[in-house]
Amino acid sequence: GAGVSQTPSNKVTEKGKYVELRCDPISGHTALYWYRQSLGQGPEFLIYFQGTGAADDSGLPNDRFFAVRPEGSVSTLKIQRTERGDSAVYLCASSRDRDIPTGELFFGEGSRLTVL
Amino acid sequence: KQEVTQIPAALSVPEGENLVLNCSFTDSAIYNLQWFRQDPGKGLTSLLLIQSSQREQTSGRLNASLDKSSGRSTLYIAASQPGDSATYLCAVRRMEGAQKLVFGQGTRLTINP
Repeated sequence: GAGVSQTPSNKVTEKGKYVELRCDPISGHTALYWYRQSLGQGPEFLIYFQGTGAADDSGLPNDRFFAVRPEGSVSTLKIQRTERGDSAVYLCASSRDRDIPTGELFFGEGSRLTVL
Repeated sequence: KQEVTQIPAALSVPEGENLVLNCSFTDSAIYNLQWFRQDPGKGLTSLLLIQSSQREQTSGRLNASLDKSSGRSTLYIAASQPGDSATYLCAVRRMEGAQKLVFGQGTRLTINP
């Protein structure tokens, strides 16, 4: 696609529910990132994929968070047993980097998650 | 641990002024630095990417400079317009191959007509 596409744009859920957030990167981009942005803050790194594998998941806050990218394109961020503190905008980015992350990141418009 | 700071947090100026946004980082050993723009409720739009070997990059009315030794970058906006109103974020990549960007908190810019 022309840009990074994220769905849903908004998600409201209740505490304890399971949510999935989807990211469709720019066509041909093998590097994919998830970031989380709280109100008034800069984005914080969650996880980085190169192809199908999670090369770095050190930013995932706990084991309730998990992400997959089974075919090396679309990625899904999964959050189990959601808590109010999970409320944030979840941003996805992709890059044309192949082996070594060096270059420019292109971000989607984000999925705004609200946990009531 | 790399920390990135942007001051001021908010800035309001009249239309037509030239202005400078500041970004500082604690560890000068960076690989590159990227400036982004974020409109309310939207994602990030990449503006400029400066490699550590470069001193500045220009795109239209925007000019970004980098001084690694002092841990600073500035984004210069010439002849500001109301459409420039947005939050501007800077982010550093610590080294070649580093997976993550470390972001500042952003400067919320308002250009008054």
